[in-house]
Amino acid sequence: EVQLVESGGGLVQPGGSLRLSCAASGFTFSNYWMHWVRQAPGRGLVWVSRIHNDGSTTSYADSVKGRFTISRDNAKNTLFLQMNSLRAEDTAVYYCARRYCSDGSCYLDYWGQGTLVTASS
Amino acid sequence: DIQLTQSPSFLSASIGDRVTITCRASQGTSSSLAWYQQKPGKAPKLLIYGASTLQSGVPSRFSGSGSGTEFTLTISSLQPEDFATYYCQQFNGYPYTFGQGTKVEIK
Repeated sequence: EVQLVESGGGLVQPGGSLRLSCAASGFTFSNYWMHWVRQAPGRGLVWVSRIHNDGSTTSYADSVKGRFTISRDNAKNTLFLQMNSLRAEDTAVYYCARRYCSDGSCYLDYWGQGTLVTASS
Repeated sequence: DIQLTQSPSFLSASIGDRVTITCRASQGTSSSLAWYQQKPGKAPKLLIYGASTLQSGVPSRFSGSGSGTEFTLTISSLQPEDFATYYCQQFNGYPYTFGQGTKVEIK
């Protein structure tokens, strides 16, 4: 069974840092691109970042570029999101998700349960 | 960036109703569009990918259509468990943007 379990969320002061983890199981982690998506309280889904299966290529939303870094450890089946210079507007539930592609189409087929990050003084 | 606009943002419907949600893209996305369902406090669940392919295990009352810039998600007969928020997402180019969501509530 595919499972994605996020951890590392919590309360942090604006300007602070936090590192999120996403532990993957039930599939060959190193074969898949992975993504982070966030959702501010009462708001919609926002794509944050993605990483190639071997970690060679990454992309970021403009709102987090230069502050967030996505990485992975394929030996430990774990995805990370290092978040620096956090702002109040980064407050959200952060989800990790697996990207799957078939028949020429790609989509996020499995999602973790999410971890809440609150940037507040 | 490709902007996705869903309509309506809010929909009130009764059990058994046919419901249609539209997702319009600011530029062509081919058929690289997915639909998700999200219930309060839960992660999104994939319903449709490639604009019209039903994800395994998703009831057949859900269907998707469209290509290019206009897409629709249809629920043929609304069931109690379908009351949720629905999002479209494009995979044609980064960032992989989402629509703003359509909340389906009980009339």
